[in-house]
Amino acid sequence: DVKVTQSSRYLVKRTGEKVFLECVQDMDHENMFWYRQDPGLGLRLIYFSYDVKMKEKGDIPEGYSVSREKKERFSLILESASTNQTSMYLCASSKTTPTFTGELFFGEGSRLTVL
Amino acid sequence: KNQVEQSPQSLIILEGKNCTLQCNYTVSPFSNLRWYKQDTGRGPVSLTIMTFSENTKSNGRYTATLDADTKQSSLHITASQLSDSASYICVVSAIAGGGADGLTFGKGTHLIIQP
Repeated sequence: DVKVTQSSRYLVKRTGEKVFLECVQDMDHENMFWYRQDPGLGLRLIYFSYDVKMKEKGDIPEGYSVSREKKERFSLILESASTNQTSMYLCASSKTTPTFTGELFFGEGSRLTVL
Repeated sequence: KNQVEQSPQSLIILEGKNCTLQCNYTVSPFSNLRWYKQDTGRGPVSLTIMTFSENTKSNGRYTATLDADTKQSSLHITASQLSDSASYICVVSAIAGGGADGLTFGKGTHLIIQP
C-alpha cells in the first residue's frame, strides 16, 4: 500500500521557535510538495521538489524553507515560527508532473499551532 | 488568472439521497481535472481524473462529468452513505500557468450526510 508519512500529526510551538516538519514517501516518486490548508483559502503551494537537492518556490514561500537530501524525504522548515503560520500542513508526492495527469498522494497532515 | 470555483460551499443531505457538486474553472490551456475527497483530519485522496476527451467517468457511487466547452465539471454521488461526509476538492491542471505546480485548487465543498 503506497504511503506518504508525516512525522507529526499535531504540534504546538511558541513564536520564534524553529519548526521542522518531516515527510517520507515509499513510492519512489520524483516529485514532492508542501501545501498549507486554511479554512476558506483551500490548499496553497509552499515549495516543491522535482529531484534530490532541487527545490522550487511555490505560491507562498515566505517564512519557509525546505530540504531534500534523499529522494524519499522532504522537510519543511519554519526558521522562526509566527502566529500566522498556524495551519494544516500537507505533504504530497507524485510519480509524474501533476500537470500531465499525475495524481498527488497526500500525507495525513500536520496541524501546527503557534502561540 | 486561472480560477476554480466550487459550489455549494457546504451541503447537508439525508443518508440515501443523491447530490451533485459543481466545479467551474477558467484554467487554460486545460490538461486535466481531478476530484479529491478529504475526510476530516486526513489528507485528500483522488476519486477520479477527467481529461479533455472524457465526458463521464464513474467510480462506484461517484460519477464525474466534464463539459470542456463550458468549462464545467460535476461530481454526482448516488445513494449517499454516512462515510461520504467529507470535503470534495476540484483541482484543475494547466499545461502551462496555474500555480507553480501547474495546479489550481478549488476551495472545496463540505458535504454532511445525516442519518
